[in-house]
Amino acid sequence: GENVEQHPSTLSVQEGDSAVIKCTYSDSASNYFPWYKQELGKRPQLIIDIRSNVGEKKDQRIAVTLNKTAKHFSLHITETQPEDSAVYFCAAGTDKLIFGTGTRLQVFP
Amino acid sequence: DVKVTQSSRYLVKRTGEKVFLECVQDMDHENMFWYRQDPGLGLRLIYFSYDVKMKEKGDIPEGYSVSREKKERFSLILESASTNQTSMYLCASSPTGWGQPQHFGDGTRLSIL
Repeated sequence: GENVEQHPSTLSVQEGDSAVIKCTYSDSASNYFPWYKQELGKRPQLIIDIRSNVGEKKDQRIAVTLNKTAKHFSLHITETQPEDSAVYFCAAGTDKLIFGTGTRLQVFP
Repeated sequence: DVKVTQSSRYLVKRTGEKVFLECVQDMDHENMFWYRQDPGLGLRLIYFSYDVKMKEKGDIPEGYSVSREKKERFSLILESASTNQTSMYLCASSPTGWGQPQHFGDGTRLSIL
């Protein structure tokens, strides 16, 4: 079946460093790629998304890149802060999404 | 702001019981989804619905059914609960159309004893 692979599963960085999370997808029909942040005990919340007609999108310290040919998309967080610590999920699909298995990001002060 | 409300944050049931998880959204969204979240497995789609009275199987529908009698409400039913259905259940909704984000509820942590 269709799937989304996400790496790494855990990521530890020093405050101020950058963090990169990578995902690959298998379904060529996927045209929407959101990223969700889930803090402990809370709901997943959308932090940024990208559609298949765009290669890159940026929102302050967060950016996402999409390579449709390689079926690969990435989340980049610059100048990380302790409050960025959470689990991050990528997803790919259309109306229906397939989620990656998550990346636990820890930002140490 | 979109609000997706799940009826219970925590629920404890016994093996063999019929369990109902309720989800209500207040934004007139056409699409509604049920996921289960397990450590290391991410979010896996159980069932989804694009309209009232309409349902589609997701990736792991076995042991579950759903009901959507009204646009704002989507119910997940465990016909005969088993211990391997102990999990966090998340409901989400989205409007129809390309590239519309899904909005999640707070989740129901269900324990089957």
